[in-house]
Formats: sequence, structure tokens, C-alpha cells
Amino acid sequence: GQQLNQSPQSMFIQEGEDVSMNCTSSSIFNTWLWYKQDPGEGPVLLIALYKAGELTSNGRLTAQFGITRKDSFLNISASIPSDVGIYFCAGLSNFGNEKLTFGTGTRLTIIP
Amino acid sequence: SAVISQKPSRDICQRGTSLTIQCQVDSQVTMMFWYRQQPGQSLTLIATANQGSEATYESGFVIDKFPISRPNLTFSTLTVSNMSPEDSSIYLCSVMTATQYFGPGTRLTVL
Repeated sequence: GQQLNQSPQSMFIQEGEDVSMNCTSSSIFNTWLWYKQDPGEGPVLLIALYKAGELTSNGRLTAQFGITRKDSFLNISASIPSDVGIYFCAGLSNFGNEKLTFGTGTRLTIIP
Repeated sequence: SAVISQKPSRDICQRGTSLTIQCQVDSQVTMMFWYRQQPGQSLTLIATANQGSEATYESGFVIDKFPISRPNLTFSTLTVSNMSPEDSSIYLCSVMTATQYFGPGTRLTVL
């Protein structure tokens, strides 16, 4: 099925650094969601975005819904060891009636 | 939000056998989904399971291989039939309430 282009594919950073990842699509979405998946677990919802241009924060996480509705980014400030995991973006074209399209994932590793 | 549990959490199965995965939600939901996540990959939707209707399968997935039951608004099962090593994956149940939530997954290894 269709997937969103997510970049970077992987990141190796030091604790305390800021992180930025993004997701792009050729299609318009009405909702963007960002999930984090820890090893052996299901994805956990981090942030949901419902409006073009919307900027939403959740603690050290900030995500934006692109004006064109074809992209979104996620920033993590002052990374800590528990931020390690795989981050997925997901888009929904018609909220409540359509299926999620998932990004390819960004694997975040923190170098000691 | 919704709290989702899955059973079993993991299993190791022999080729040719079948495994039924259960998904239980702590509230009534209309839309439930089953996903597959192959090793190192993103999530791929297998089917949408709405209570009171037949499951709707995505391209590449068929009912004979992945039969789904949805007997009520809080429960669903996915069966992986006649398994082969290529079916080794994490299988995830998901529900749509205010937004979409996922269960912890079932890690399946087929020998």
C-alpha cells in the first residue's frame, strides 16, 4: 500500500541534542498523527494534528501540520535516553472514515 | 483514549498450523483494524473489521489466509492460517475513537 516518505531513516545523536524529522506526501491529508514505537511494543500516539498550519506541543515534542497539507514535522528538544525508538508519522485523508497511511519510520538512537 | 490488550503477546508456531490472535478493547468502538509489521518495516493494514459487517481486506490480503471475527463492539480476532516463515511478523490490533490507538502487538515467529 501507499506509504509516506519519512526522513531521516535513522538518526544517531547525543543526549541533550535536539531532533527533527519530517514526513512528506504527494497526497493531501486532513489529519497527521505522530507515533513512537518501543521495541516489542505497539505504536503509542504522541501528537495529533487536525488543521493545516497547526503547531502543537506535548512536553519536549512539537509537531506541525504543513500549510500544503502534504507534510508534517516533529521536533524533540533536549533528547533523553527514553526518546530512543522508532517514530512513525501517519496521515488520514478523511478522519473517521479512512485508513491511516504510515510513514516509513525514523529510528532514533542516542549515543552515550 | 482506548486501552487495548492482545493475546498472545508472542508465539512460536510450526509451518502449516494456524494461530488466532485476540484483541480486547476497554470501550465500545465501531472501527477496528488489523495491521502487520514485518521485521524492520512500517505498519501495513491487513483489514478493517467493523461490527455487524464483513471485514474489508486490503490488496494482497485475503479472507482465507486471514479470517477475522468481530462478534461485538469490544472484541475481535485475527487468524493467521496455514502459516509459513514469511508470516513471521508483529500483528497489531487498532481502534479508532477520537483518534487511532494501537494494541501492544503479537509477535509471531513461524519455524
